[in-house]
Amino acid sequence: DTGVSQDPRHKITKRGQNVTFRCDPISEHNRLYWYRQTLGQGPEFLTYFQNEAQLEKSRLLSDRFSAERPKGSFSTLEIQRTEQGDSAMYLCASKFMEDTGELFFGEGSRLTVL
Amino acid sequence: DAKTTQPTSMDCAEGRAANLPCNHSTISGNEYVYWYRQIHSQGPQYIIHGLKNNETNEMASLIITEDRKSSTLILPHATLRDTAVYYCIVRGAWGQTGANNLFFGTGTRLTVIP
Repeated sequence: DTGVSQDPRHKITKRGQNVTFRCDPISEHNRLYWYRQTLGQGPEFLTYFQNEAQLEKSRLLSDRFSAERPKGSFSTLEIQRTEQGDSAMYLCASKFMEDTGELFFGEGSRLTVL
Repeated sequence: DAKTTQPTSMDCAEGRAANLPCNHSTISGNEYVYWYRQIHSQGPQYIIHGLKNNETNEMASLIITEDRKSSTLILPHATLRDTAVYYCIVRGAWGQTGANNLFFGTGTRLTVIP
């Protein structure tokens, strides 16, 4: 399968713990995006990378959130000191910079904070 | 990005055409109309996009009014697998300032009925 891959698919953690999600984009895609989706809502933009550079961050990305893409390939999203409000689906997407249209999404990583 | 307005939910009989409307009265001249859908527990999937002209691909047709203030996504022969949330998104061309991500609303929940 050559689509966008996310790991883990499900994560249950206790409040205050740190969690990390990984995204492997489609190999030739140089843009990588993170979105968050809560129940009943559409996905909300968090941040995006062009190669290894983080070019834009949403105000939703609080200080407890950090995203990296060190070699311009896979990316990680870490949430420190998780809160119950962090419970959501975290979606990763990628695209080739020159394409006009399609953003390819992964299946998401569902976080439940108890 | 311009805001969009979509009905919360719609039903469609299997085999019939599904017509999903979207209002985007504040769209500017260089903004595209994108449609994505999200099947339960999956990441969003690109369907189609257009600027001024009507567009058709293997999944759907996109009809944009002459004044560009509204559009309709048409699934010509809806199947049960088309049951999903459909998002209408308006954004500038990739690479333009402030146009490097997608802003999803709450979309239209389409239910295809056997």
